[in-house]
Amino acid sequence: DGGITQSPKYLFRKEGQNVTLSCEQNLNHDAMYWYRQDPGQGLRLIYYSQIVNDFQKGDIAEGYSVSREKKESFPLTVTSAQKNPTAFYLCASGTPGLAGTYNEQFFGPGTRLTVL
Amino acid sequence: AQKITQTQPGMFVQEKEAVTLDCTYDTSDQSYGLFWYKQPSSGEMIFLIYQGSYDEQNATEGRYSLNFQKARKSANLVISASQLGDSAMYFCAISPGFKTIFGAGTRLFVKA
Repeated sequence: DGGITQSPKYLFRKEGQNVTLSCEQNLNHDAMYWYRQDPGQGLRLIYYSQIVNDFQKGDIAEGYSVSREKKESFPLTVTSAQKNPTAFYLCASGTPGLAGTYNEQFFGPGTRLTVL
Repeated sequence: AQKITQTQPGMFVQEKEAVTLDCTYDTSDQSYGLFWYKQPSSGEMIFLIYQGSYDEQNATEGRYSLNFQKARKSANLVISASQLGDSAMYFCAISPGFKTIFGAGTRLFVKA
């Protein structure tokens, strides 16, 4: 089945450790995104990538890094520089729509990161 | 800059009744897409419905319809015949280009 997978579902790390969240899609989408969601709030864009080997900072990129070496994969690293990394992380992918807009995004199941 | 405002933090609706979730937006772009997503307690984001800024007719998808009033910059979601499984968070979003901006969400509670 086509879709987006994120692993792991739950992740626990000690403060000061870097951690990498996996995101893989087999939808053949060019665009991929990482969002952060805090309890009771909406989604905030961390990084996005329009094509392989290219990515752009979103609204809250500080303390995070990404890579896009393959079309299917867009891993997110939460570094020790991120002051409050405990959150729910969602990966998404999408395709261009009409007149410069983008179509709906397809989301993975998310990774809940807890930093102890 | 684009902005989405959802003024209803929580809404209650009786099972089998219709409910309207409000969404207003702000953008200077002429071409944009409006979206509604549902987020159950499991956390996944589920796409519900899309409205293009140039679409003259309101979008409909099964029990979901989008009441699009362009001049008022309003894109309300109407859910008809509510079901218990509709209890979830609902997010309105706008995509004038590559980035998508999400609202803070409305939590819908469907009562039996």
